Amino acid sequence: SQQGEEDPQALSIQEGENATMNCSYKTSINNLQWYRQNSGRGLVHLILIRSNEREKHSGRLRVTLDTSKKSSSLLITASRAADTASYFCATDGSGGSNYKLTFGKGTLLTVNP
Amino acid sequence: GAVVSQHPSRVICKSGTSVKIECRSLDFQATTMFWYRQFPKQSLMLMATSNEGSKATYEQGVEKDKFLINHASLTLSTLTVTSAHPEDSSFYICSASKLPGTSAYEQYFGPGTRLTVT
Repeated sequence: SQQGEEDPQALSIQEGENATMNCSYKTSINNLQWYRQNSGRGLVHLILIRSNEREKHSGRLRVTLDTSKKSSSLLITASRAADTASYFCATDGSGGSNYKLTFGKGTLLTVNP
Repeated sequence: GAVVSQHPSRVICKSGTSVKIECRSLDFQATTMFWYRQFPKQSLMLMATSNEGSKATYEQGVEKDKFLINHASLTLSTLTVTSAHPEDSSFYICSASKLPGTSAYEQYFGPGTRLTVT
């Protein structure tokens, strides 16, 4: 089964609004990362948060991690049309394979101009 | 930086033929490379992990005789899809790690290869 599960599966907002995506996972982790993927392209690494961190910022991105609930959220503030993409969370550290990344199903974000 | 390239970016082949996809780390030595498959509107699924100079480790359900992985040098890994069938049509993405499997967050992803089998 998928380690990471994002919700919502799809999110459509207007430019300038904030977008929040959530990710839940099932087993213990070392790190959780968020990636962006434009249609038909490779992955772009956005941010990594370690299991002992609770919040991290990078530009317009804010990531939180709640290990007690096994969940993370990605907030994109003041969204732009160029933020339109799929967003995936990925975890590592589960089941003793600490070098493997397990990806969630992704959230398709559409930012309308 | 840490740049990973893939070649080709797109390939169309006929059913029954074999296709080779290359993954190269351009400015670093990659002791470990990972191959993922992504079906339309789905997530990335890890297929196999390869360490330079040793046999690849395949994930459960991935046929090692169908998806041949070679990691002959510290900058190149290849994935060969043998006797391809239409159901093998997918987006194949590789990633490379600088360290020998101990730092997952140091995976650098290639741009992907779109394989279409007709």
